[in-house]
Amino acid sequence: AQSVTQPDIHITVSEGASLELRCNYSYGATPYLFWYVQSPGQGLQLLLKYFSGDTLVQGIKGFEAEFKRSQSSFNLRKPSVHWSDAAEYFCAVGPRGSNYKLTFGKGTLLTVNP
Amino acid sequence: NAGVTQTPKFQVLKTGQSMTLQCAQDMNHEYMSWYRQDPGMGLRLIHYSVGAGITDQGEVPNGYNVSRSTTEDFPLRLLSAAPSQTSVYFCASSYSVHVGADSGANVLTFGAGSRLTVL
Repeated sequence: AQSVTQPDIHITVSEGASLELRCNYSYGATPYLFWYVQSPGQGLQLLLKYFSGDTLVQGIKGFEAEFKRSQSSFNLRKPSVHWSDAAEYFCAVGPRGSNYKLTFGKGTLLTVNP
Repeated sequence: NAGVTQTPKFQVLKTGQSMTLQCAQDMNHEYMSWYRQDPGMGLRLIHYSVGAGITDQGEVPNGYNVSRSTTEDFPLRLLSAAPSQTSVYFCASSYSVHVGADSGANVLTFGAGSRLTVL
């Protein structure tokens, strides 16, 4: 069965510092990959997605993610974190051809210190 | 264009009561789905639909019922609420696009969520 692992439950960074959130997946074939962000009390907003092609994908709010097939990973990065980035981040995967069904990781809560 | 609209935003039920969470989308999307979010669990798929009249179970379907009589609406029914169904529920819709040789690439649009408490 497919699964998504986000090893870090909670990460704290200082404003202006770089950020990397880890995501590993277990899947029979290369899935479609997504990162979503959820601010407190809000719904989910898509940050970026990987379907095919260039393995480094750019998203909104200055985020990027790199797909590494050999490591089954899709880590999210940002070079300089802003206080407004404090939120919970979810990695999700979906099967090619039917990714209207997503499997989510358990999320990483990001705290940003001033 | 309102996107995905969920009602109600908040609801408190007593054990054994029934209720329906409403979900409507105005984007003419083929696919709709319901997820529940629990602390430390991420989102888990309850039920999904690939078109009007077609529904199927997801990862955690027990205690929930769905139907899809129109493209726009996908209600989630709790027939006899239990405290274990206390959660935040998200509805999502999507449509399929071609990516290279692949078909079926979807980007899900989520509603704002419905917080349900069962006492």
